[in-house]
Amino acid sequence: QKEVEQNSGPLSVPEGAIASLNCTYSDRGSQSFFWYRQYSGKSPELIMFIYSNGDKEDGRFTAQLNKASQYVSLLIRDSQPSDSATYLCAADNYGQNFVFGPGTRLSVLP
Amino acid sequence: DTGVSQDPRHKITKRGQNVTFRCDPISEHNRLYWYRQTLGQGPEFLTYFQNEAQLEKSRLLSDRFSAERPKGSFSTLEIQRTEQGDSAMYLCASSLSLPTGSNRDTQYFGPGTRLTVL
Repeated sequence: QKEVEQNSGPLSVPEGAIASLNCTYSDRGSQSFFWYRQYSGKSPELIMFIYSNGDKEDGRFTAQLNKASQYVSLLIRDSQPSDSATYLCAADNYGQNFVFGPGTRLSVLP
Repeated sequence: DTGVSQDPRHKITKRGQNVTFRCDPISEHNRLYWYRQTLGQGPEFLTYFQNEAQLEKSRLLSDRFSAERPKGSFSTLEIQRTEQGDSAMYLCASSLSLPTGSNRDTQYFGPGTRLTVL
């Protein structure tokens, strides 16, 4: 059973701080990893994807991948109250579908 | 707005009734996925199509569930004899699967259909 695990939170950070969200996956065959943001009652919105070891930056967001440790993370710099949402980590399943984690709730406090 | 649309956005039905949901993917996308999401959980995969072919179905997709994608465009998901346990958000996503794999089949989600079974 392929699994993606995340700390459900809530993770609370003050406005302007760096929020660090973590994810581990069970299947070493997974090649691509995706971070989605989901506001309450809304559908997931893609933030970014990563498939190479190391860091990938997009604006205030940095995704990090360590395939040896089967670990993916998302850093959000200069966190804003509007970043308060649930962050979903997903791993591709041999190009057929995604396996999602349960999500981490982030709360950015003004 | 990702360009993926779903209809209806909300559906309330009584146990035992049949319901059908529709998804219109981004026009150039050849793959279409259905997921189900319950409160506090991540989306769970149900099934996906490449063009009109249904390539994979999850064990979650019982005999009461059926999905179609005629002509490789829009898709429908039907649930027969609904049960209270079917109450969830049903999400549709689409992607463009390239032979090179360069886009990593990035999936874009529609707004979802929230089903409540009374």
